[in-house]
Amino acid sequence: GAGVSQSPSNKVTEKGKDVELRCDPISGHTALYWYRQSLGQGLEFLIYFQGNSAPDKSGLPSDRFSAERTGGSVSTLTIQRTQQEDSAVYLCASSSQGSSTDTQYFGPGTRLTVL
Amino acid sequence: EDQVTQSPEALRLQEGESSSLNCSYTVSGLRGLFWYRQDPGKGPEFLFTLYSAGEEKEKERLKATLTKKESFLHITAPKPEDSATYLCARADSWGKFQFGAGTQVVVTP
Repeated sequence: GAGVSQSPSNKVTEKGKDVELRCDPISGHTALYWYRQSLGQGLEFLIYFQGNSAPDKSGLPSDRFSAERTGGSVSTLTIQRTQQEDSAVYLCASSSQGSSTDTQYFGPGTRLTVL
Repeated sequence: EDQVTQSPEALRLQEGESSSLNCSYTVSGLRGLFWYRQDPGKGPEFLFTLYSAGEEKEKERLKATLTKKESFLHITAPKPEDSATYLCARADSWGKFQFGAGTQVVVTP
């Protein structure tokens, strides 16, 4: 079946612009996660959704970052007033129920470059 | 603070030269230890989940083991196609993953 998909695959933007990144999880997966991977760094947790609610937003680095999920499916990560330090690969993952033992399956990522 | 530490940061192997990667983690609240493989420009690909000390899992040339404080990923007789970054992650009681920085493995013919 189809895996996790993300769009766009690459995004180049100018400093100060807003960007939206999209994630389509595996069909039927209730849990959805966003991570950020900077060059040479490990994956940094950003936010977790269970259904449409976000019980854990602890990883969002600033109030310029927000995310929503609608219909228990598609999620959008929005970065307002982008800064150069926001440049990274943004990865989305989904799991069937979001329990602590569920495997997370990842999409290919969106590479964001802020000029 | 909960941590996941991987070593070495990078590993260069000759084809057929077996080796092991290490992942050490804080123990409290551990619910699972996950191994992923990541190729350049792609998202992490799931390999294994380990839940309790003494557990082992194998897939082709890869074998993952878990002790009370660390996990090992053994690569037996590697081939060039095993070149990738290998990531480990711990899942805590709330299902939150913490990833290590990864080990970049290069296997040369």
